Amino acid sequence: SQQGEEDPQALSIQEGENATMNCSYKTSINNLQWYRQNSGRGLVHLILIRSNEREKHSGRLRVTLDTSKKSSSLLITASRAADTASYFCATDGGGTSYGKLTFGQGTILTVHP
Amino acid sequence: DGGITQSPKYLFRKEGQNVTLSCEQNLNHDAMYWYRQDPGQGLRLIYYSQIVNDFQKGDIAEGYSVSREKKESFPLTVTSAQKNPTAFYLCASSIGGLVNTEAFFGQGTRLTVV
Repeated sequence: SQQGEEDPQALSIQEGENATMNCSYKTSINNLQWYRQNSGRGLVHLILIRSNEREKHSGRLRVTLDTSKKSSSLLITASRAADTASYFCATDGGGTSYGKLTFGQGTILTVHP
Repeated sequence: DGGITQSPKYLFRKEGQNVTLSCEQNLNHDAMYWYRQDPGQGLRLIYYSQIVNDFQKGDIAEGYSVSREKKESFPLTVTSAQKNPTAFYLCASSIGGLVNTEAFFGQGTRLTVV
């Protein structure tokens, strides 16, 4: 079964606006990762946040993690049409399943020029 | 170029046939994974291998088989026992071991039953 639930399922915004996507999960994690997928292509890693971190930045990306609520959010600031893609959160449960990622259903982001 | 290569990009299978999807990496990664993605869905783990000559079932292993005879290669066979094999298959690799690390993905193989 899927570990993560993402919200919203689809998001449509104008260029220049910010996009926020949320991810909730059920069990304890070692880290949480965000990936991007362009239509019909493989996934590309965006950012990894460890379970003992609360916030992380990378360029226009900002990720937060709240382990008490078992949730994470991905913020893309000043969005561009090229940001149009599906975004997935993935959790790494650690322990004997270290590195084994469990993916959410994804958020489809459309950025209109 | 370092990376992970899947072939073929498109594959057509007749009912009752076994087919094998190729996945090769030159990143010197210990861990490799196979995921299945259905339209509009997330990824589901089929099999994973954390070291050569060892692999474990994921969440949806029924109807699939794998081998890991070489560090660089992790082929996936979709057998005739897989009742609904039409999907997008993604292979990934990571450094492995007890480290926080990202996964690198291939470009995928789209399998269609005809």
